[in-house]
Amino acid sequence: GNSVTQMEGPVTLSEEAFLTINCTYTATGYPSLFWYVQYPGEGLQLLLKATKADDKGSNKGFEATYRKETTSFHLEKGSVQVSDSAVYFCALSDLINQGGKLIFGQGTELSVKP
Amino acid sequence: SAVISQKPSRDICQRGTSLTIQCQVDSQVTMMFWYRQQPGQSLTLIATANQGSEATYESGFVIDKFPISRPNLTFSTLTVSNMSPEDSSIYLCSVEWGEIAGELFFGEGSRLTVL
Repeated sequence: GNSVTQMEGPVTLSEEAFLTINCTYTATGYPSLFWYVQYPGEGLQLLLKATKADDKGSNKGFEATYRKETTSFHLEKGSVQVSDSAVYFCALSDLINQGGKLIFGQGTELSVKP
Repeated sequence: SAVISQKPSRDICQRGTSLTIQCQVDSQVTMMFWYRQQPGQSLTLIATANQGSEATYESGFVIDKFPISRPNLTFSTLTVSNMSPEDSSIYLCSVEWGEIAGELFFGEGSRLTVL
């Protein structure tokens, strides 16, 4: 079945450092890919998305490119801020094979120090 | 965007009791989803609730334990029945809102602690 694997956390960075959070997926079809973010004490919010190979999703300085050849959707940001401290979830949705159900990775906690 | 309100935001419950979580959306939506987030874990889909039909449960979740109501297009409830400490989790309501399947809005969650 479909699945998502993320790099384990927690990840601790200094402010203005470069961020990469790795995400790989397994899917039988052609899923849509997402990054969701959960700030402390809040619900999840959609951060960015990509629907087909080579698409790049971007938002708030974060980027991720849908790489079909490596089945990856790594999250990057060039310069993190303290306010980026949160838990980041990679997810996929396969409309054809699983009716669009959203499958989440295990989450990666990011802590940014001033 | 959709605004989703969940009640209660948190509660402490005794073993063996049941608790009903309410989810109110400020717009009419077709599909509502209930997720569970156990401490330090990812999100697991409990069930999908469509108005006018029985909820569809995922593997490992049953209606007797997690009965769901969906009386109209803006409201749903999830009951956690006969609770045990293993049910201590955050329960999140979400709605599909966007251009593609999987683009969801989430409520802030209901954090349940079972003693």
